[in-house]
Amino acid sequence: GQNIDQPTEMTATEGAIVQINCTYQTSGFNGLFWYQQHAGEAPTFLSYNVLDGLEEKGRFSSFLSRSKGYSYLLLKELQMKDSASYLCAGGTGGGNKLTFGTGTQLKVEL
Amino acid sequence: DGGITQSPKYLFRKEGQNVTLSCEQNLNHDAMYWYRQDPGQGLRLIYYSQIVNDFQKGDIAEGYSVSREKKESFPLTVTSAQKNPTAFYLCASRETGSSYEQYFGPGTRLTVT
Repeated sequence: GQNIDQPTEMTATEGAIVQINCTYQTSGFNGLFWYQQHAGEAPTFLSYNVLDGLEEKGRFSSFLSRSKGYSYLLLKELQMKDSASYLCAGGTGGGNKLTFGTGTQLKVEL
Repeated sequence: DGGITQSPKYLFRKEGQNVTLSCEQNLNHDAMYWYRQDPGQGLRLIYYSQIVNDFQKGDIAEGYSVSREKKESFPLTVTSAQKNPTAFYLCASRETGSSYEQYFGPGTRLTVT
């Protein structure tokens, strides 16, 4: 199977750095995705890791360790608008399907 | 502008009625997907289609049906057999090949009373 686990909620301060972790079973997956979803809206793509290591894209970075079944999303210089749910998803079925975690609700406070 | 449209944004139905949710894309993507999202839960895959006139069941297909007669369109019917139809429904599409990224529509919030 492809169970994906991530914390339910996190709180951080504006301007700070926050790391959202995601763990998964290592069998049968093709890459690890991160999506951002504001309440009542569609998820929007943030990052995709297929190889081990860190991918940086502006204030957002994502890391993957395939051998450990572990990924994280790093958000720097937090802004109030970053308050959202962050969804970790693994590619399965030869890349044709995504299996999502339950999402981490991030609250950014002043 | 290319994108995915879902209509309507809010939909209300009485229990026992079938209802069809619309999903249209002009991205020329081959693959399309339907997900359901409940409060505090992640997205769960209902059905997906990788090519016209073909589709596969996802993890929670019971009580739902789909068709894929055109590349641009992938409507989802929520039947009266679906025990808990009230949810947020999201449609997505993907360009097959090397990219696995899925693009999502704005969603339809269905309430059945």
